[in-house]
Amino acid sequence: DIQMTQSPSSLSASVGDRVTITCRASQSISRYLNWYRQKPGKAPELLIYAVSTLQSGVPSGFSGSGSGTDFTLTISSLQPEDFATYYCQQSYSIPWTFGQGTKVEIK
Amino acid sequence: QVQLQESGPGLVKPSETLSLTCTVSGGSMNSYFWSWIRQPPGKGLEWLGNIYYSGGSNYNPSLNSRVTISLDTSKTQFSLNLYSVTAADTAVYYCATSLRAVAGDFDQWGQGTLVIVSS
Repeated sequence: DIQMTQSPSSLSASVGDRVTITCRASQSISRYLNWYRQKPGKAPELLIYAVSTLQSGVPSGFSGSGSGTDFTLTISSLQPEDFATYYCQQSYSIPWTFGQGTKVEIK
Repeated sequence: QVQLQESGPGLVKPSETLSLTCTVSGGSMNSYFWSWIRQPPGKGLEWLGNIYYSGGSNYNPSLNSRVTISLDTSKTQFSLNLYSVTAADTAVYYCATSLRAVAGDFDQWGQGTLVIVSS
């Protein structure tokens, strides 16, 4: 299985801050990397697929980059609804696997 | 817009079978992959397996062949059976799919259903 490792596991930030989350794959996954946001008690929602393509309806403040094994999710200006847990996920090979999550908390 | 809704028992005894159904509304099941994903309380996400609308399926090897996923397109439902459950199978179970008809990401999710394994 491909292991996905996110860093940091948690971070504290304020509304308006720029935030970057990193995801590393245990082997090359080309550009088969997706990002999700999960609010407490809710199902995850797809933010970005194929490294950098924004899912329909997702604000442009979200962006993704990377290839191979190293990827980043950037939120340019944190909004109140962005305080949540973020997961990366590889769709390169079955079994699809997720990172352990990064919890973004209010400072 | 396609919507997904999980249903099934919220409590299952150890060693028994966990059975859940996902009902799809607002669209056809054709051309899509249908997945089950779970999340133990306070933990991360684990993909369990998927089934294609034509019936082919894939499973996570970590489940050691304890899982089967089936499809009933006439009822627009797909189901999860997880056998010989233990407390480690306690989780919120989600059904999910991608409306871009790809196998590996998930842009539509059910709300999730909590299943507790306990005697």
